[in-house]
Amino acid sequence: AQKVTQAQTEISVVEKEDVTLDCVYETRDTTYYLFWYKQPPSGELVFLIRRNSFDEQNEISGRYSWNFQKSTSSFNFTITASQVVDSAVYFCALSEIIQGAQKLVFGQGTRLTINP
Amino acid sequence: KAGVTQTPRYLIKTRGQQVTLSCSPISGHRSVSWYQQTPGQGLQFLFEYFSETQRNKGNFPGRFSGRQFSNSRSEMNVSTLELGDSALYLCASSSRTGGVVNYGYTFGSGTRLTVV
Repeated sequence: AQKVTQAQTEISVVEKEDVTLDCVYETRDTTYYLFWYKQPPSGELVFLIRRNSFDEQNEISGRYSWNFQKSTSSFNFTITASQVVDSAVYFCALSEIIQGAQKLVFGQGTRLTINP
Repeated sequence: KAGVTQTPRYLIKTRGQQVTLSCSPISGHRSVSWYQQTPGQGLQFLFEYFSETQRNKGNFPGRFSGRQFSNSRSEMNVSTLELGDSALYLCASSSRTGGVVNYGYTFGSGTRLTVV
């Protein structure tokens, strides 16, 4: 069965520090998709990135960057020069596709607090 | 482009009652998925509807059901409510075309259900 592990339950840093959120996944599929979502206090899950299993290129979007390593089944997320607005719960997720149907399997989330 | 709309935002029900939650996906999206979020179990997949058909179902009792209309709007129903059904129910829409998810999932703000 698919599984996503976010070992860091809570992280607290001071503004402008860099922070990395870890994500380790388990799957037997050869084709799969990985996601990161941000959940602010309002509750909505905000899509950050989607990466397919064949694309191991790291990606950078502004202060955000993602490191995908199939060899270690990890998809880590780094925020550079963190800001207070980055405070939220972050979820890593893995798509599970069975006979054309699909669902997301989420990790338990990492609560990130950026202190001014 | 309007986002995913979930109504109502908050709901308080009594044990034994039933409840119906509504989700309007992004215009043009034909896939709607539902997730339950609780502090103990995290985010768990309930079901997915595509073209008015349930395509996938999570490990939830039969008290949880759903449907999708021809305009892609979806409803989920929970009958005989239990205290443990108190949760944030999130709806996600995607531009699935019958196979793999192409553009990720866009989530609504959720309906927070409290069962007393």
